[in-house]
Amino acid sequence: GAGVSQSPSNKVTEKGKDVELRCDPISGHTALYWYRQSLGQGLEFLIYFQGNSAPDKSGLPSDRFSAERTGGSVSTLTIQRTQQEDSAVYLCASSLEGARTEAFFGQGTRLTVV
Amino acid sequence: GQNIDQPTEMTATEGAIVQINCTYQTSGFNGLFWYQQHAGEAPTFLSYNVLDGLEEKGRFSSFLSRSKGYSYLLLKELQMKDSASYLCVRAGSYQLTFGKGTKLSVIP
Repeated sequence: GAGVSQSPSNKVTEKGKDVELRCDPISGHTALYWYRQSLGQGLEFLIYFQGNSAPDKSGLPSDRFSAERTGGSVSTLTIQRTQQEDSAVYLCASSLEGARTEAFFGQGTRLTVV
Repeated sequence: GQNIDQPTEMTATEGAIVQINCTYQTSGFNGLFWYQQHAGEAPTFLSYNVLDGLEEKGRFSSFLSRSKGYSYLLLKELQMKDSASYLCVRAGSYQLTFGKGTKLSVIP
């Protein structure tokens, strides 16, 4: 596609429910990143994919968080048993070859856990 | 660690020049990006430095000193629309580590 697309743009969920966030990267981009940003805070690294592999999962905050990428394209970030502290904007970015190339960001998914 | 340090806030006058400094951990370094983020929007790419020196792109320039673990972003002829957060981003082997950003306010 023309840019990185994320869905949904907004999600309100009840505490304890599971949510799934989707990212469609730019076609041909091999690298894909997930970050989250709490209000007024910096970007917190969650996970990086090169193709379908995730060489760095160090940023996932807990085992309630998981992510996968299929076909070297679409990625989903799943949060199980959501907690209020999970409320944030979840940003996805893709780049052509990895950390040395420009990353393009989607508009994010604003997650609110009530 | 991969600590990235940059000032939290800066204020400058329309038409002036402002320099935003950034220091970072040098181990495993593979380049330094600057991104701009307007409130409520996603970050957008401004510049990338992998070699020492100054890269100029219109009103924006970025400088890198790898031995010192230091970079700066220079904004000239400031405009009101330049009010935003400026993020210093360190590229590692594959991870991009973002600083907390410098919130720049441009005043008339």
